[in-house]
Amino acid sequence: EPEVTQTPSHQVTQMGQEVILRCVPISNHLYFYWYRQILGQKVEFLVSFYNNEISEKSEIFDDQFSVERPDGSNFTLKIRSTKLEDSAMYFCASSEFETQYFGPGTRLLVL
Amino acid sequence: GENVEQHPSTLSVQEGDSAVIKCTYSDSASNYFPWYKQELGKGPQLIIDIRSNVGEKKDQRIAVTLNKTAKHFSLHITETQPEDSAVYFCAATSPAYYGGSQGNLIFGKGTKLSVKP
Repeated sequence: EPEVTQTPSHQVTQMGQEVILRCVPISNHLYFYWYRQILGQKVEFLVSFYNNEISEKSEIFDDQFSVERPDGSNFTLKIRSTKLEDSAMYFCASSEFETQYFGPGTRLLVL
Repeated sequence: GENVEQHPSTLSVQEGDSAVIKCTYSDSASNYFPWYKQELGKGPQLIIDIRSNVGEKKDQRIAVTLNKTAKHFSLHITETQPEDSAVYFCAATSPAYYGGSQGNLIFGKGTKLSVKP
């Protein structure tokens, strides 16, 4: 069964460093999303992406964040200058229509 | 914007009993309501979803009911098993098939279900 994959599974970085989180959505899906989950809290929407541009973004998704689909299979989330409060699980999701399928997540720890 | 409230935050049942988790939403335009199961260290896995033109949907031991008038929906798990133990999230969205947006999911805070053997 097709699934969303994410790399790396864990990332430790120093505050102020740039990180890139990678996702491979399900191959026939056209809509892509990033969500984050701070430990013990609910999943929060960051951004959605369709046709090579951002469709929607939340107030969390500020100028420090960017997304890109660099080729036909990968979808990336970049955090330019990480802050302590960026420590969270980051989930990529993709959909063909409204049903969104989530990847296993990347646990980001900012020290 | 949409707000989703979920109750209870924790639920403990004996194996074989039923479990019910309830959610309310605020935006009457929301028309798609998925439920996700999240096991420790993993991503949310879709277990069932319902659209606003349907009042109830069932898949084996799992069922979801929707009351559009009251703006609430519930997850029902019958004959619970220890492997049902996980955190369950409800979500709501109003997908738009125009403008390139499928609608972002607004999640509840989750219910930690423990099924005791």
